[in-house]
Amino acid sequence: DGGITQSPKYLFRKEGQNVTLSCEQNLNHDAMYWYRQDPGQGLRLIYYSQIVNDFQKGDIAEGYSVSREKKESFPLTVTSAQKNPTAFYLCASSSPGQVEYQQFFGPGTRLTVL
Amino acid sequence: ELKVEQNPLFLSMQEGKNYTIYCNYSTTSDRLYWYRQDPGKSLESLFVLLSNGAVKQEGRLMASLDTKARLSTLHITAAVHDLSATYFCAVSGGGADGLTFGKGTHLIIQP
Repeated sequence: DGGITQSPKYLFRKEGQNVTLSCEQNLNHDAMYWYRQDPGQGLRLIYYSQIVNDFQKGDIAEGYSVSREKKESFPLTVTSAQKNPTAFYLCASSSPGQVEYQQFFGPGTRLTVL
Repeated sequence: ELKVEQNPLFLSMQEGKNYTIYCNYSTTSDRLYWYRQDPGKSLESLFVLLSNGAVKQEGRLMASLDTKARLSTLHITAAVHDLSATYFCAVSGGGADGLTFGKGTHLIIQP
């Protein structure tokens, strides 16, 4: 089955630690995205990548880093510089070949800082 | 800066009633999306609206887009309990850019 997978589902981090969230897709999509969702809020864009080896900052990129070495993978690192990282993180992908550019979302990773 | 406002943010309604959720956005956009989110879950795509006057329907949900007014509506007809969820609208900045989301409408449908 084609889809987007994210791991882990739950992640606990101590203050001062970096953690990496995994996002993999087998939909052959060129574009991938990372969003953050806080309780009772909408999603906010962290980073996105339209092609391998290229990515752009979104609205709240500070304290985060990404890489895009393979088309199917777009990992997100939450660094110690991110002051309030506890949130629900969602990865998405889309295909520029589709006129609607519909974004499909993974199941999410819930990160908690202890 | 693109901004998206939804209202109401919270809606409690009875089964069988009709209601409309509104989504206003601040600058010109070529695509508007509606998503559904169940508690603790990811987002499920409902509709993509591409042009002025676009209308799409799926079951008891109907979405429309007025690009001149920068307004989209999600209309619920004869609501049933299974439609209880949080509904988000989102607007594209263009191309394969990321989306800007509203804060969501938390919908509770009571039997």
